[in-house]
Amino acid sequence: NAGVTQTPKFRVLKTGQSMTLLCAQDMNHEYMYWYRQDPGMGLRLIHYSVGEGTTAKGEVPDGYNVSRLKKQNFLLGLESAAPSQTSVYFCASRRSTSYEQYFGPGTRLTVT
Amino acid sequence: AQKVTQAQTEISVVEKEDVTLDCVYETRDTTYYLFWYKQPPSGELVFLIRRNSFDEQNEISGRYSWNFQKSTSSFNFTITASQVVDSAVYFCALSERFGNEKLTFGTGTRLTIIP
Repeated sequence: NAGVTQTPKFRVLKTGQSMTLLCAQDMNHEYMYWYRQDPGMGLRLIHYSVGEGTTAKGEVPDGYNVSRLKKQNFLLGLESAAPSQTSVYFCASRRSTSYEQYFGPGTRLTVT
Repeated sequence: AQKVTQAQTEISVVEKEDVTLDCVYETRDTTYYLFWYKQPPSGELVFLIRRNSFDEQNEISGRYSWNFQKSTSSFNFTITASQVVDSAVYFCALSERFGNEKLTFGTGTRLTIIP
């Protein structure tokens, strides 16, 4: 039981490049989330999904897109990376009947 | 709007001392959930506890205890007889029951246990 996994663990992008972060969970959770963590700001919600085929905007969605084609996967895309998107990205998931979220190990992204 | 405040940015204590991490929250909902997460130096986020707004009983788990007081909108976390392995950043978080799926996090408290 791997829990929540994220790919890749580290990535360096040049401004304007695109990339996709993959989150996978094997706990059959309905809800999935993408957060970013910046120094002194805690975690902020980017996008979330309450089920396969559905997504919604969080607190800081600009510059990101997401897709949830399969229940176990939640993809976060950056179409044109900017230095302001340098951050650590966390994926999380939870059951619809419970409120605690379980987090992946994080992806450290640097945009130069 | 919901908000979580962790006023203590950094705390250092000597090993075996007790330490309390403060958390104050704001919400308009009458039903909500409070959480503590631990982020050790390795970077992952570890779920510690969830508390429901309708259950004000304090909870103890080994050296960890939590004090939930609705009257002061606080959900404080105490570590008794601290150990070096307790060194981490601790986040308090809040989730409202209806109309908002997200966890709102505080900015975290960095706890350093000095051997």
